[in-house]
Amino acid sequence: GAVVSQHPSWVICKSGTSVKIECRSLDFQATTMFWYRQFPKQSLMLMATSNEGSKATYEQGVEKDKFLINHASLTLSTLTVTSAHPEDSSFYICSALTRTESYNSPLHFGNGTRLTVT
Amino acid sequence: AQKITQTQPGMFVQEKEAVTLDCTYDTSDPSYGLFWYKQPSSGEMIFLIYQGSYDQQNATEGRYSLNFQKARKSANLVISASQLGDSAMYFCAMRPNDYKLSFGAGTTVTVRA
Repeated sequence: GAVVSQHPSWVICKSGTSVKIECRSLDFQATTMFWYRQFPKQSLMLMATSNEGSKATYEQGVEKDKFLINHASLTLSTLTVTSAHPEDSSFYICSALTRTESYNSPLHFGNGTRLTVT
Repeated sequence: AQKITQTQPGMFVQEKEAVTLDCTYDTSDPSYGLFWYKQPSSGEMIFLIYQGSYDQQNATEGRYSLNFQKARKSANLVISASQLGDSAMYFCAMRPNDYKLSFGAGTTVTVRA
């Protein structure tokens, strides 16, 4: 159980275009979803936290107008990279929690999306 | 703010031997969870083991064990009987009560035949 599906697994887009990444919880209700960004050989950096039905909370330094996060349902969160530039090329990975899980529960991760902006 | 430190960027280990990955953390929260994840080259995050801040015993999961020293704020991962498939990046992570999971810089483990 607790499967998180992330789509697409990789995407190449041209500079200036927007890209949407979907994160779905397949067999549970994800009340909270987290979006991380990872550059090659580096750690995962939390970008934002989203709770179903409310606005996402962004970490310091993350542009909320550039990285639009929508968590409209208990099974779907989307990250849209708007007006993408080559420096946005990175590995984006989502994770989810259910309402009943607490700090001692491991996050359920999607398989990530590798974004390349040309 | 929470901070997780992994001081070993990379490690080599011989197949069938054990390897210890270091992790220290800093938090002011009395309640927190410590996690280790494995990330192979394909990118997915694989949960390995968990240790709670109030747990009295060290966690074990198969070939993985966590050496938890609360006073020293360390949570080292021990992988016993290393296998070639263990070659990956390993992340130590911590989550306090705000549920945000923060990661260390990671350690790349390469298992040699």
